[in-house]
Amino acid sequence: SQTIHQWPATLVQPVGSPLSLECTVEGTSNPNLYWYRQAAGRGLQLLFYSVGIGQISSEVPQNLSASRPQDRQFILSSKKLLLSDSGFYLCAWGFSLGQMNTEAFFGQGTRLTVV
Amino acid sequence: QKEVEQNSGPLSVPEGAIASLNCTYSDRGSQSFFWYRQYSGKSPELIMFIYSNGDKEDGRFTAQLNKASQYVSLLIRDSQPSDSATYLCAVTSGAGSYQLTFGKGTKLSVIP
Repeated sequence: SQTIHQWPATLVQPVGSPLSLECTVEGTSNPNLYWYRQAAGRGLQLLFYSVGIGQISSEVPQNLSASRPQDRQFILSSKKLLLSDSGFYLCAWGFSLGQMNTEAFFGQGTRLTVV
Repeated sequence: QKEVEQNSGPLSVPEGAIASLNCTYSDRGSQSFFWYRQYSGKSPELIMFIYSNGDKEDGRFTAQLNKASQYVSLLIRDSQPSDSATYLCAVTSGAGSYQLTFGKGTKLSVIP
């Protein structure tokens, strides 16, 4: 069966510090991978998605970036965090069947507080 | 801009009652529809998906889809206190779209 691992679970970082969040998927090959952010009182916002190694699409211009160095590894990074980057970051995986997407399965999430 | 709208709630129902959660979407080309449950502080978990017009039942849950009205709903029968959570509606479009668009969620509270 497929599993998704995301770490760390919680993180407190000062403004201006770098960020690296990692996500790995097991039990499947060539999944679609996603990074979402959920700010307090707001819905899930898609930040990045990837359909293959080295293929990253950005949905929201900001100081975050994503990379996919391996098939089942997805990394979210920032060189300098802002207060507005605080939130609940969720990695997810899914598949496309032809031209339709399947559902997305979420990792445990990382609660980031920028202070 | 593709939008998914949900009543934020909170929706309060007594234990054993039917909870009805509603969602509308703006993109008429949407093809796949999902309901997620999210407990406070946790990540969303998939509970139902529906692709075709009509009803789909899974245990105490029934998803209903009306593409003509751009409306999808989730019914929870015999509601339990453990059903208290935020329910997220999500929609994908076809034609090579790779993203789920989520509503902001409806908070459900089941009162013992």
